[in-house]
Amino acid sequence: EAAVTQSPRNKVTVTGGNVTLSCRQTNSHNYMYWYRQDTGHGLRLIHYSYGAGNLQIGDVPDGYKATRTTQEDFFLLLELASPSQTSLYFCASRGGQYAEQFFGPGTRLTVL
Amino acid sequence: GDSVTQTEGQVALSEEDFLTIHCNYSASGYPALFWYVQYPGEGPQFLFRASRDKEKGSSRGFEATYDKGTTSFHLRKASVQESDSAVYYCALGNMGYKLTFGTGTSLLVDP
Repeated sequence: EAAVTQSPRNKVTVTGGNVTLSCRQTNSHNYMYWYRQDTGHGLRLIHYSYGAGNLQIGDVPDGYKATRTTQEDFFLLLELASPSQTSLYFCASRGGQYAEQFFGPGTRLTVL
Repeated sequence: GDSVTQTEGQVALSEEDFLTIHCNYSASGYPALFWYVQYPGEGPQFLFRASRDKEKGSSRGFEATYDKGTTSFHLRKASVQESDSAVYYCALGNMGYKLTFGTGTSLLVDP
């Protein structure tokens, strides 16, 4: 069974704070993704990667950085968090171009 | 750019009702189309996909047919159950490794 884990599951920070969200997949998939989910907007792609050291810009990248350190690990960085980044964040992995994406359980981030 | 439109934000049904959730897309080329389901407190899960015109995808009693002429991939189920209550996302994948998701449809089924 494919597995994607995320940590932390919940995070509260203040405006201007520094936050790192972590994602690990044990699927041996090349592609990994970071999404944010907001009411009325569905799932929006922030960044994605097709391998260690690679980073691709998604559809809503402003205010976010990401880094893929290994095939398994993909991190999302918010260096100056703002209240507009309060959201539910999902990580996903994917093996092939038209293959299904496997999602993690999500991280709920609140920026006060 | 590519886009997916789900017109129903919320759908409320009773058990054994027939379900239709509409999905229309706009994309160049020949995208693959997907349905995902998200239960409360979980990440989205793949339901099924279709990759060519007139292909039917199906899983767990749900089905959808790829219609290139009407650019649609509507989700249907003949008889819903309370356990089908969830958010359903239509998505497309086109010329690369990104998926474009619709805004989601929340289904609530009363027992």
